[in-house]
Amino acid sequence: DAGVIQSPRHEVTEMGQEVTLRCKPISGHNSLFWYRQTMMRGLELLIYFNNNVPIDDSGMPEDRFSAKMPNASFSTLKIQPSEPRDSAVYFCASSLGGGLDEAFFGQGTRLTVV
Amino acid sequence: DAKTTQPNSMESNEEEPVHLPCNHSTISGTDYIHWYRQLPSQGPEYVIHGLTSNVNNRMASLAIAEDRKSSTLILHRATLRDAAVYYCILGNRDDKIIFGKGTRLHILP
Repeated sequence: DAGVIQSPRHEVTEMGQEVTLRCKPISGHNSLFWYRQTMMRGLELLIYFNNNVPIDDSGMPEDRFSAKMPNASFSTLKIQPSEPRDSAVYFCASSLGGGLDEAFFGQGTRLTVV
Repeated sequence: DAKTTQPNSMESNEEEPVHLPCNHSTISGTDYIHWYRQLPSQGPEYVIHGLTSNVNNRMASLAIAEDRKSSTLILHRATLRDAAVYYCILGNRDDKIIFGKGTRLHILP
């Protein structure tokens, strides 16, 4: 398996534009996590899916952020409209069973909103 | 969520063992202790995890206190490539994985 695949690796966009980040988890994994990392706030959990169902989205900063998992092999994180303070590295991770099993992280998407 | 406490930073000499401590006094009976590390410009990577007994793998060893309120990650022979932020996390089935601030490990050549 190629591991967790995220795209794009880098994204530069203008304030107000819609941004979509993509994630392909490891085949067979039941849990998927989206994180955001900044120098100031560290690694923050945004949302957690189990069997394609959002279990906890309490970390999603505001209504501008939305995440979907239409099937077991694909998830998106959308920001609309984007703002400069959304600039961060966004990581996707997957695991067999939530917080019990080893989580595998993607390489991340570095988002810059200008 | 059960919390963990780690020192902000630690320093060690290359080729020497490193002991990274973690306190988790509110751990529940079903929480596993996980360790991850994040190398510069990379995503976090799994290091090791355990429940009650000490664990060894090719990367490190995990020593868990008898009362499970603390644990220690042991790198037996640190190299420059081990310089990273190390996170101690408590995890349970179907539970989210929450990262704290971790310990930044500096390796001196």
